[in-house]
Amino acid sequence: NAGVTQTPKFQVLKTGQSMTLQCAQDMNHNSMYWYRQDPGMGLRLIYYSASEGTTDKGEVPNGYNVSRLNKREFSLRLESAAPSQTSVYFCASRPGYRDLNTEAFFGQGTRLTVV
Amino acid sequence: RKEVEQDPGPFNVPEGATVAFNCTYSNSASQSFFWYRQDCRKEPKLLMSVYSSGNEDGRFTAQLNRASQYISLLIRDSKLSDSATYLCVVNILLYSGGGADGLTFGKGTHLIIQP
Repeated sequence: NAGVTQTPKFQVLKTGQSMTLQCAQDMNHNSMYWYRQDPGMGLRLIYYSASEGTTDKGEVPNGYNVSRLNKREFSLRLESAAPSQTSVYFCASRPGYRDLNTEAFFGQGTRLTVV
Repeated sequence: RKEVEQDPGPFNVPEGATVAFNCTYSNSASQSFFWYRQDCRKEPKLLMSVYSSGNEDGRFTAQLNRASQYISLLIRDSKLSDSATYLCVVNILLYSGGGADGLTFGKGTHLIIQP
């Protein structure tokens, strides 16, 4: 079972470059999320999508855009990368808000370095 | 005030010891509660959900006190393989009217089991 698949696993960007992080889930989940994890900061929500066709800002959305392409896929775009965006990015999915006690499934993470 | 607070540790305990983690959350509207485990450079994975009545899974016991907004995790007879970071997680509705929820993570407590 694939679960949540993120690509790429590693990326080095120069300041000002752009890139898109891809995420796909095969569990027919409605809700998808992008988090970033920095040392000493824990996981912080960047953007989320409650269902296909909707996206909303989380705690730290500045510098990012997202697209919920279909029910399976939720991508995160950095338009002009900055060193402050050096982080580990995790995509996650859950069935939906009506299933409050269900777990979130995470991708393996993308380690992004901006130089 | 951070929404979910945990002692970051590290907790260094000998193999076989009992160790307890505590967590407090600030949003009284939090709907559901979890402990996740994260191994070094890996994605978080669900350890267990936390229910008001308390629940146990083998060597692990979780407790929730809604009145005090407090969550705990007890690990008995600790094993070397328990070494990891333990994340306290609460689930809240992300905007009024429902339709979307999200997980808010504590920064994690780092546990090191020593032989």
